Amino acid sequence: QSVLTQPPSASGTPGQRVTISCSGSSSNIGNNYVYWYQQLPGTAPKLLIYRNNQRPSGVPDRFSGSESGTSASLAISGLRSEDEADYYCAAWDDSLSGWVFGGGTKLTVL
Amino acid sequence: QVQLVESGGGVVQPGRSLRLSCAASGFRFSSYAMHWVRQAPGKGLEWVAVISYDGSNQYYADSVKGRFTISRDKSKSTLYLQMDTLRAEDTAVYYCARDGSGWPPSGFEYWGQGTLVTVSS
Repeated sequence: QSVLTQPPSASGTPGQRVTISCSGSSSNIGNNYVYWYQQLPGTAPKLLIYRNNQRPSGVPDRFSGSESGTSASLAISGLRSEDEADYYCAAWDDSLSGWVFGGGTKLTVL
Repeated sequence: QVQLVESGGGVVQPGRSLRLSCAASGFRFSSYAMHWVRQAPGKGLEWVAVISYDGSNQYYADSVKGRFTISRDKSKSTLYLQMDTLRAEDTAVYYCARDGSGWPPSGFEYWGQGTLVTVSS
């Protein structure tokens, strides 16, 4: 059981907007930044969003992050077939003194 | 460009030891915290350990505390993970990741391609 809770799956059609949620607690999301990672099949994870809503250079602005209280969300607009991947949220946990991940959400582009 | 290349993975018997290495290039190694993150076959990501830019601070996941040791060699720009008393549940791809800062840690900015560790008799 992961400390951060994500839906195991999500789906959408090309061009649609989808959101992936990440629920935590006051010791992690509620008090620290949230990070999002994309893992394409058979590859290493890649940083998608840092500090709740910042995009690294090279990440399309179709990807956006938000945070409210003890939850966070990743939104993908203008869905494309190449967005089909696993998505993970992560945050530092003050109680555990360590990093925690969500269980991951498998995004399918129909 | 930032490059992280892991090595040292393989098949090892339960109870034995293994040391992973991560050769870093393309950035000032001594300025950034470094992490190990693992992924069991077909499973999600699990953070393993972090070490500060100067090696003075280390934190571990409860699942590996007391068995694994993270360290770094500034002269070789290399990160290590000494894994002792290995268990079947340690079987995973182990990724080396560079943090976004020196300390306190601020996420996994760059990742290596990973090295597979299989613990089996």
